[in-house]
Amino acid sequence: AQTVTQSQPEMSVQEAETVTLSCTYDTSESNYYLFWYKQPPSRQMILVIRQEAYKQQNATENRFSVNFQKAAKSFSLKISDSQLGDTAMYFCAFMKEGPGASGSRLTFGEGTQLTVNP
Amino acid sequence: NAGVTQTPKFQVLKTGQSMTLQCAQDMNHEYMSWYRQDPGMGLRLIHYSVGAGITDQGEVPNGYNVSRSTTEDFPLRLLSAAPSQTSVYFCASTNRLLGTQYFGPGTRLLVL
Repeated sequence: AQTVTQSQPEMSVQEAETVTLSCTYDTSESNYYLFWYKQPPSRQMILVIRQEAYKQQNATENRFSVNFQKAAKSFSLKISDSQLGDTAMYFCAFMKEGPGASGSRLTFGEGTQLTVNP
Repeated sequence: NAGVTQTPKFQVLKTGQSMTLQCAQDMNHEYMSWYRQDPGMGLRLIHYSVGAGITDQGEVPNGYNVSRSTTEDFPLRLLSAAPSQTSVYFCASTNRLLGTQYFGPGTRLLVL
């Protein structure tokens, strides 16, 4: 079974600054996906960024980028130029790649509440 | 293209009552899932489906039933509601080519 750990329950950052959220995971799988989801107060789950384990290059999406260290099983999220709208709960998640049930099962961490201060 | 839709948005039940949470997607995804989110926690998988007529249990299936008669719909049934089922419920469908799950807006359930 896979586990995902987010060791920072809460973080805060000043507007326009950079913040990094940590995530570690444990798996015996070779092929998988990793995700960061954002959950604002509306409770909607919004996909921020995704990484395929076989790709060495770190994923980026505008102000969001990841540092994926496969050997260390680490997957951190960096938010640059933080904005007030980035205030949300952020979840790291894991999904096995492959046929069968893999595509239906996301394993989530417990989340990090990020507050961006003006 | 509405994506993943869920109804109702909010529901109050009394202990012992039954109800069905509705979920539909219009993206023709084979894979669909139900999760629950309790305060201060991530989402936990209740049941999932890899296609019409095929369902299986996730991490926390007790007290819930599912069926999948069409690709579009994946309802979740609470058989006899208990206060421990007070939670926010999310439905999701997966784009297998991208390996990405898309979530509905959630249903907040309160069991008294």
